[in-house]
Amino acid sequence: AQTVTQSQPEMSVQEAETVTLSCTYDTSESDYYLFWYKQPPSRQMILVIRQEAYKQQNATENRFSVNFQKAAKSFSLKISDSQLGDAAMYFCAYRSVRRDDKIIFGKGTRLHILP
Amino acid sequence: ETGVTQTPRHLVMGMTNKKSLKCEQHLGHNAMYWYKQSAKKPLELMFVYNFKEQTENNSVPSRFSPECPNSSHLFLHLHTLQPEDSALYLCASSQDTAAHYEQYFGPGTRLTVT
Repeated sequence: AQTVTQSQPEMSVQEAETVTLSCTYDTSESDYYLFWYKQPPSRQMILVIRQEAYKQQNATENRFSVNFQKAAKSFSLKISDSQLGDAAMYFCAYRSVRRDDKIIFGKGTRLHILP
Repeated sequence: ETGVTQTPRHLVMGMTNKKSLKCEQHLGHNAMYWYKQSAKKPLELMFVYNFKEQTENNSVPSRFSPECPNSSHLFLHLHTLQPEDSALYLCASSQDTAAHYEQYFGPGTRLTVT
């Protein structure tokens, strides 16, 4: 069975600094999707970034980028130039490419931004 | 944030009550989902509907009863709940259940069972 592990329950970073959130996963499949979702306090969860396993190039969305290490089954999220609005729970997630398979979420990392 | 709406946002109910959670999506999607989010636990998928047909029931107790009258609306009927059912219930939608379609989440209903 697939699993997703986020080993950092909480992290803090100074505003304007860079922070990296860790995620590891376990799967026997070769093709899949990986996601980072952001859930601000009392607000909707939104997709931050997505990586397709068959693509070697790391995905990037503005200040957010990932370090995808397929052999190591590692998928970390780097946030550059941290802003107060980045404060949220961040969930790493995995999904097989098979239709109707469910998304497997990690337990989340709460990120605090220090002014 | 208006793509997927959920009502009510907060609900307190006793164990003998019957209540319903409502989800509505304005994105023209065909798939809708119910998730349970408990403290310090990963999100748990409860139910999936695709084109109004239930395609997934993730071993959810029968005290939770979903209903999907059309592709835009999803309900979760609650009865005889237990205190451990207290959680944030999230609704989501996507174009359909194929893996490459992004799921869009609602703000959730914070449920407290007393």
